[in-house]
Amino acid sequence: GAVVSQHPSWVICKSGTSVKIECRSLDFQATTMFWYRQFPKQSLMLMATSNEGSKATYEQGVEKDKFLINHASLTLSTLTVTSAHPEDSSFYICSATTYYNSPLHFGNGTRLTVT
Amino acid sequence: DAKTTQPNSMESNEEEPVHLPCNHSTISGTDYIHWYRQLPSQGPEYVIHGLTSNVNNRMASLAIAEDRKSSTLILHRATLRDAAVYYCILRADQTGANNLFFGTGTRLTVIP
Repeated sequence: GAVVSQHPSWVICKSGTSVKIECRSLDFQATTMFWYRQFPKQSLMLMATSNEGSKATYEQGVEKDKFLINHASLTLSTLTVTSAHPEDSSFYICSATTYYNSPLHFGNGTRLTVT
Repeated sequence: DAKTTQPNSMESNEEEPVHLPCNHSTISGTDYIHWYRQLPSQGPEYVIHGLTSNVNNRMASLAIAEDRKSSTLILHRATLRDAAVYYCILRADQTGANNLFFGTGTRLTVIP
């Protein structure tokens, strides 16, 4: 089955620093990748949609200069949380897919803690 | 907005069938109905998806109403490993707005 690898699985960083999260599709080419954020006991919130080779489309209320998304190849997308603050602490999840009538394949998430 | 509504929680006895409902009254003709489930501290796992016809796979069955305004995920024999939060979402064209809206989902508790 299709596998999406997300790395790191957890990270602790100091306030003001930047953190990069990687999302890789291991056995398929993902034309589209999605990034989500999930707070405890809440549902997933879509942050942005990333298509290979083009700029990401951000959801309303998500700061594009704070959450930098790069989708340089069909198998890799990265999310960089810049100048992280404690309120950015959350569970970040990526998913990858091919055509819109195909399933989404999710990574196992990255738990970010900003101290 | 093509959104879905689900009951917040449901319980089932182990080895009994479970029917998880989802309403999507504003679904459009090209929206696919997807179901995913999520265990604590993990990413969601794909369960099943469909457009108009009922679908079966090794994990579950998906029953889609004739008017497509609702669907039901059927787990034929619930096991303790099926305890999770189940999300029903609509997937529109990739460029569509409000694509992939995750509602609150249904927390399924399986009673041994």
